[in-house]
This record gives sequence, structure tokens and C-alpha cells, in this order.
Amino acid sequence: LAKTTQPISMDSYEGQEVNITCSHNNIATNDYITWYQQFPSQGPRFIIQGYKTKVTNEVASLFIPADRKSSTLSLPRVSLSDTAVYYCLVGFSLMGGYNKLIFGAGTRLAVHP
Amino acid sequence: NAGVTQTPKFQVLKTGQSMTLQCAQDMNHNSMYWYRQDPGMGLRLIYYSASEGTTDKGEVPNGYNVSRLNKREFSLRLESAAPSQTSVYFCASSGGLAGTSTDTQYFGPGTRLTVL
Repeated sequence: LAKTTQPISMDSYEGQEVNITCSHNNIATNDYITWYQQFPSQGPRFIIQGYKTKVTNEVASLFIPADRKSSTLSLPRVSLSDTAVYYCLVGFSLMGGYNKLIFGAGTRLAVHP
Repeated sequence: NAGVTQTPKFQVLKTGQSMTLQCAQDMNHNSMYWYRQDPGMGLRLIYYSASEGTTDKGEVPNGYNVSRLNKREFSLRLESAAPSQTSVYFCASSGGLAGTSTDTQYFGPGTRLTVL
């Protein structure tokens, strides 16, 4: 059964590094892993995307092991404004080769002063 | 650029009523999507459209119909609303290949629907 798994919630303090892991055992061969951030009463917003190894941009890093069965979003030196829900998005190969987009349930990150 | 816009922002329906949620994007994207988000849960894909005139089912299509009116607009219709359809509905668009996570999706602000 196609499924992604993320921790339900995490707590951190300002200035710390936060790592959020998403498990996706049945990811499609050609699909990328994308992470989104969502604030209350808003639509999700793109953070970062990768296929394998490591990707870094101005706000985050994404680590993907060789087997691609999981990925880890890394937020360096978080601030109070990083308090949000974080989702990983992958595609899964289903029977017949039809891909369906599957969002994880999301991880609620709370950053404390 | 307004990005992705959705109307209405809020709606309350009675069981059995019908309504159409509107979505428009001004980024010249080929792909458009409709998701629902239930309280405390992630997003689930209802339908998507890879291009004008084409639509495909997502994870939870039952009870919904969609129309890709043109490249800019993608509407979601509830023919006979049920309490189980109470949710926040998000529209999104992307410039890449629909049905995969290869490209970036841009989301609208959402429509909060309550079915009594």
C-alpha cells in the first residue's frame, strides 16, 4: 500500500537545526521528493525538491539516501517564523504503472523562544 | 501576478445542495490540481488536469466532478453535498508534468466548505 510516514510533531528552539524525516518505501523510479511548508489558513508553499543525494537552497537542505526509501528535510538555525506544518510529497507506482501523488500527513514543527 | 486564486473563500451548504468551486491561475501553467484537507490531516488529491480538456482522478474523486474550462481555469463541482465533504479545498497549478512530483506546485489560499 502506497504510504508516506512523517513524525506527527516536533519541538525546537530558536537557533537550533531541525531534521524532519519522511519514509516512502514505494516511491516511483522517476519521481522526485518535494517538501512543502504550510502556515495556518494558507496553502502549502514549496521549500525544496530532490531526486537523490543532497540538495541545498537558501532555506533548507534535503538528504536522500541511495535507496530513496526516505528523505530528511534539514532546517538550519530555525526561528519562530519557521513554526508551521511540513509535508513531503512523492509519487508512487501503482499497479498498471499509474502514478498518484501522495502527501504525507505532515509534521507540526513548533519553534520556541 | 495574482498566482492562484480561488472563489469563494468560505461556503456553508446544506446536505444535498450543489455548488462549484472556482480556481484560476495566471502563470500560464499546463497542470492544475484540486486537493482537500480535513482538520489536522494532510492534503489528498481529488482530481488533476494535465492540460485543457483533460482530467484524471486522484486519491479521493468520489462525489466530485471537475472541468478544465480553459488553460487558466479549473473548477470543482459537488453535485449533492454531504457532511463528509466538509473540508478545506485547495487548488494548485504547476508548469511541469502532471501526476508526478517532478515540478513545483503553487497553491491558492483555499476554500473553507461546511456541509450541514
